[in-house]
Amino acid sequence: GENVEQHPSTLSVQEGDSAVIKCTYSDSASNYFPWYKQELGKRPQLIIDIRSNVGEKKDQRIAVTLNKTAKHFSLHITETQPEDSAVYFCAALWEGYSTLTFGKGTMLLVSP
Amino acid sequence: DAGVTQSPTHLIKTRGQQVTLRCSPKSGHDTVSWYQQALGQGPQFIFQYYEEEERQRGNFPDRFSGHQFPNYSSELNVNALWLGDSALYLCASSLEGHMNTEAFFGQGTRLTVV
Repeated sequence: GENVEQHPSTLSVQEGDSAVIKCTYSDSASNYFPWYKQELGKRPQLIIDIRSNVGEKKDQRIAVTLNKTAKHFSLHITETQPEDSAVYFCAALWEGYSTLTFGKGTMLLVSP
Repeated sequence: DAGVTQSPTHLIKTRGQQVTLRCSPKSGHDTVSWYQQALGQGPQFIFQYYEEEERQRGNFPDRFSGHQFPNYSSELNVNALWLGDSALYLCASSLEGHMNTEAFFGQGTRLTVV
């Protein structure tokens, strides 16, 4: 099955700095890669996703890049704000099962 | 338009007991997936239901079973609870035939086994 590795497990930045979270996946058949933000005690919420026919996607301060050859994808958050503090999960859709495989998460802390 | 709803929000059970968790999918969605999220971990796939049948299953024992009803709502049952079953149980709904579309999560059921 699919295996998703996520790094780092924790990330502390100053407000206004950029944050980058990286994930690798194992199944070359995966073709959909969403990122979820989970605040304490709340449900995971989709913040951005990318499909395999695209190398980069941007939505305001958030961007995701995908390298299918290397089988890795990254989340980039620019001009971080304290409200960006949360746990971020990457995921990959294993096409054979149409279910999401998640990374273990990155706790992002943005200090004012 | 209601999103994915789960009940109950919190539950405390004793080891060995059985528990049933419920999920109503987002309006228009017909596929329900269940995930277990242990503290500090990412969600782990349990199983997925479509057309009232279990279509896919993750690496979970037979103590975990489920059901989907004609209105697409779903239940997750766990028998003979272990302490290690304590976790946040998340339900996600999606639309069959649109594999590469967003999965919407419910707020989860926090299960504590004592």
